[in-house]
Amino acid sequence: EPEVTQTPSHQVTQMGQEVILRCVPISNHLYFYWYRQILGQKVEFLVSFYNNEISEKSEIFDDQFSVERPDGSNFTLKIRSTKLEDSAMYFCASTARQVYGYTFGSGTRLTVV
Amino acid sequence: DQQVKQNSPSLSVQEGRISILNCDYTNSMFDYFLWYKKYPAEGPTFLISISSIKDKNEDGRFTVFLNKSAKHLSLHIVPSQPGDSAVYFCAIYNTDKLIFGTGTRLQVFP
Repeated sequence: EPEVTQTPSHQVTQMGQEVILRCVPISNHLYFYWYRQILGQKVEFLVSFYNNEISEKSEIFDDQFSVERPDGSNFTLKIRSTKLEDSAMYFCASTARQVYGYTFGSGTRLTVV
Repeated sequence: DQQVKQNSPSLSVQEGRISILNCDYTNSMFDYFLWYKKYPAEGPTFLISISSIKDKNEDGRFTVFLNKSAKHLSLHIVPSQPGDSAVYFCAIYNTDKLIFGTGTRLQVFP
């Protein structure tokens, strides 16, 4: 069964450093998403991406965050200057059509120290 | 801003019995609802969905019920199996994003 692949599985970074989280969505999917889950809290929407541009973003997704689909297969989330409160599991998801159940990756655990 | 609420943080059920997980939402304009299952160290896995034109959708052991007037949905798992032990999230599709509830941890014991 096709999978959404995320790397790395765990990233530790110092506060103020830039991090890039990587995702390879399912190949025929057109809609791409990033969500995050702070430990013990609910899964929260960050951003949706379609046709090489952001469709919607949450208030969490401020100027420190950016997304990119650099080569037609990868989908990345960049945090320019990490803060302690950015520590969370970050999930990438993709879907062929909106309103269908997304396929999520296994996540990247980001720890900011 | 709790648009989606799962009031039971945990549920424990004996193998073979029915598990009922509940979810309430606030906005009557929502029209597409989903359930996800999540194991530790994995991403959420889509289970079943329902649109507001229906009040029931069934897929094998999983049935979702929607009560629009009460703004309530539930997931029934019959019969429950130990492999069903996971965290279950209800979610609402709203303008190109999913809004998740806080989750219910289901434990199915032998």
